[in-house]
Amino acid sequence: GEDVEQSLFLSVREGDSSVINCTYTDSSSTYLYWYKQEPGAGLQLLTYIFSNMDMKQDQRLTVLLNKKDKHLSLRIADTQTGDSAIYFCAESIRDSIGNQFYFGTGTSLTVIP
Amino acid sequence: KAGVTQTPRYLIKTRGQQVTLSCSPISGHRSVSWYQQTPGQGLQFLFEYFSETQRNKGNFPGRFSGRQFSNSRSEMNVSTLELGDSALYLCASSSGTDRGYEQFFGPGTRLTVL
Repeated sequence: GEDVEQSLFLSVREGDSSVINCTYTDSSSTYLYWYKQEPGAGLQLLTYIFSNMDMKQDQRLTVLLNKKDKHLSLRIADTQTGDSAIYFCAESIRDSIGNQFYFGTGTSLTVIP
Repeated sequence: KAGVTQTPRYLIKTRGQQVTLSCSPISGHRSVSWYQQTPGQGLQFLFEYFSETQRNKGNFPGRFSGRQFSNSRSEMNVSTLELGDSALYLCASSSGTDRGYEQFFGPGTRLTVL
């Protein structure tokens, strides 16, 4: 199957920027996603980027995609304590029957006040 | 538009019992996928249903099964529960077509097996 890898933990100080990284193996990804999961909750779709784009910005969130290196990152500007959560990277690959989704292991972000 | 709903939110069962979880997708979505989330294994894909047919399946034993109804609501069943089945079970809905590139998750059902 497709591998989507992330580091397990990240700790930043409130007000700093956070950068969460992800690598994937399948170059035929259609879209790449970032989801946020708060304790006891489901996954919330934060943002996604089409595979032929390099960057997407959405308020405090910036997604960078390096297709050559198969590397995706999520930058959160001015990180707040409410950003503490687990962040999942995911990719979708289109095949004959639809879109197949593959998830990373999640990165636990801790924001220190 | 209402989001994905899952019932019940919490369940406690004992080993050997069976359990049925329910998921109602976003209106108009025809695809429902189920995932098991545990601290040790992360998010693992169980299966996907589209138009009442299972079209993708992960690597789980036959004790895990599911179905989808004509209104796209889906149920998953786990028989002969084991301690290791304790997990958060998430369902996700999408349009299921080649344009269905967004997948939306429900809040999950927390299953505890004693």
